[in-house]
Amino acid sequence: NAGVTQTPKFQVLKTGQSMTLQCAQDMNHNSMYWYRQDPGMGLRLIYYSASEGTTDKGEVPNGYNVSRLNKREFSLRLESAAPSQTSVYFCASKPPGTSGTGELFFGEGSRLTVL
Amino acid sequence: AQRVTQPEKLLSVFKGAPVELKCNYSYSGSPELFWYVQYSRQRLQLLLRHISRESIKGFTADLNKGETSFHLKKPFAQEEDSAMYYCALSGGAQKLVFGQGTRLTINP
Repeated sequence: NAGVTQTPKFQVLKTGQSMTLQCAQDMNHNSMYWYRQDPGMGLRLIYYSASEGTTDKGEVPNGYNVSRLNKREFSLRLESAAPSQTSVYFCASKPPGTSGTGELFFGEGSRLTVL
Repeated sequence: AQRVTQPEKLLSVFKGAPVELKCNYSYSGSPELFWYVQYSRQRLQLLLRHISRESIKGFTADLNKGETSFHLKKPFAQEEDSAMYYCALSGGAQKLVFGQGTRLTINP
């Protein structure tokens, strides 16, 4: 039982390059999330998916796209990376429950540097 | 709009001293509040939630709706409590909003 798995763990990009961060969970959770963590800013929600087939914007969606490929997988794509997207990215999932409740399970994070 | 504020980026206390990490929130409805912790080289994980009214690793947190606060407290700090702590709010949608985080350092 791996929980939430993110790949890659580290990535260096040049400005303008594209890349996709992959996330998979094996806990049969419905909801999945992408956050970015920046010093002094805490965790900020980029996008989330309440269920397979649906995605919604979070606090900082600009410059990102997401795909909920199936119930297990939720990917985050940077089409044209910018230095401001240098951050640590976390994927998380949440088990089903009453609206708004529940514990988030996090991946180990992906450290992205954009030069 | 949902907002969580943790006024202290850094907090340093001595082992055995009381600890209080502050959290204030803004939400017009009935919030659900959580404390998450990230120890060095470990994943972010849930520490406690207000609806459970539980004590985890000696930490407690009480929701004060009048002051819109959810401060995290521990009477006697231990070195293993050194970590990054995040307060988070869920306002009914399928998402969690986090505060800026407080890095707690326990000095021996």
